Amino acid sequence: DTEVTQTPKHLVMGMTNKKSLKCEQHMGHRAMYWYKQKAKKPPELMFVYSYEKLSINESVPSRFSPECPNSSLLNLHLHALQPEDSALYLCASSPRLGGSTYNEQFFGPGTRLTVL
Amino acid sequence: GENVEQHPSTLSVQEGDSAVIKCTYSDSASNYFPWYKQELGKRPQLIIDIRSNVGEKKDQRIAVTLNKTAKHFSLHITETQPEDSAVYFCAARGSGNEKLTFGTGTRLTIIP
Repeated sequence: DTEVTQTPKHLVMGMTNKKSLKCEQHMGHRAMYWYKQKAKKPPELMFVYSYEKLSINESVPSRFSPECPNSSLLNLHLHALQPEDSALYLCASSPRLGGSTYNEQFFGPGTRLTVL
Repeated sequence: GENVEQHPSTLSVQEGDSAVIKCTYSDSASNYFPWYKQELGKRPQLIIDIRSNVGEKKDQRIAVTLNKTAKHFSLHITETQPEDSAVYFCAARGSGNEKLTFGTGTRLTIIP
């Protein structure tokens, strides 16, 4: 399996709801990422996990809560979101962290989130 | 931190002609430069990358060049086809750096 998968594809939620996004990869990658992408903008890094430990939190509001239960899975728990949080949420993975060579980052298809 | 600028923001090219997208970066320690293609509603896909120990890399109709002295790198697409229409993002990552810094994107339109 050479892909990053994400579920669900689309999600509509109210501001009081709690929902979760799921990301999975079976490439043996040890670094996993969450990005947020608004229309016509580049992906914006939110969180990075390395060997199931949170390595980077880009000052993301606490209404977004990441979780890495094992080396293949990455979740993003959502609670009390705002309409401006509506975006495409992308998961990515790479063999490892850091600037070493052959450390390509691959993206999942994303979850299109709409907050009403 | 790293800053990546990308130009042009939009580019229209006649089918069969070449397209060139340029990026500059600020951190001289950056050593990895990928290019991603994103079609409407799809994921960013890695199409080519280059490391700082080489000046040029080619894969069929796509090539990337890197000028470390000037801190800029470019994507070249030859013999463009309608399926090349997409948004292209450049990115840069420094040695020991865990983050990719993306450019602002170029919307490429191939005119049949």
